[in-house]
Amino acid sequence: AQTVTQSQPEMSVQEAETVTLSCTYDTSESDYYLFWYKQPPSRQMILVIRQEAYKQQNATENRFSVNFQKAAKSFSLKISDSQLGDAAMYFCAYRSAKAGGTSYGKLTFGQGTILTVHP
Amino acid sequence: ETGVTQTPRHLVMGMTNKKSLKCEQHLGHNAMYWYKQSAKKPLELMFVYNFKEQTENNSVPSRFSPECPNSSHLFLHLHTLQPEDSALYLCASSVEFGQGPYEQYFGPGTRLTVT
Repeated sequence: AQTVTQSQPEMSVQEAETVTLSCTYDTSESDYYLFWYKQPPSRQMILVIRQEAYKQQNATENRFSVNFQKAAKSFSLKISDSQLGDAAMYFCAYRSAKAGGTSYGKLTFGQGTILTVHP
Repeated sequence: ETGVTQTPRHLVMGMTNKKSLKCEQHLGHNAMYWYKQSAKKPLELMFVYNFKEQTENNSVPSRFSPECPNSSHLFLHLHTLQPEDSALYLCASSVEFGQGPYEQYFGPGTRLTVT
């Protein structure tokens, strides 16, 4: 079974600075997807960024980028120019690329990292 | 944020009550999910429906009963719950055919308190 580990329960950053959130995962599969989700205090979980394992290029979305190290099974999220609105719980998630079977629809989440942004 | 809606947003119920949670997605997706989010625990997948058919029941107690009448609506019927069932219940939906990456879109959740 796949597992996702976020080793940082809490992180903090000054506004306009850069912060990196860590995520490692364990899988025997070679094809999969990785996601970072953000859950602000209002509780609506939103997708921040995604990475296909077959792509070597790291995904970027505006101020958000990932460092995907497939061999090390590491998938960290970098937030540049942090803003007060970035304060939230961040979840790393894994999803098998297999269609059907026991992996169907399953997102495996990490425990989450609470990010605080200081003005 | 209005792609997946959930009602009610907050629910307090006694252990002998029967209540239902509702989820609706306006994204044209074919798969819908129920998750349980408890404090200090990772999200737990409860049920998966694809094209109205249940494809996953993640060892959920029978006091939780899902219903999916069509690809846009999902219900979670609750009866004789326990205090440890108090949690945030999240609904999500996704496209589950064709090319991935099949990202899931979440609703705002129902905060359930069992007294």
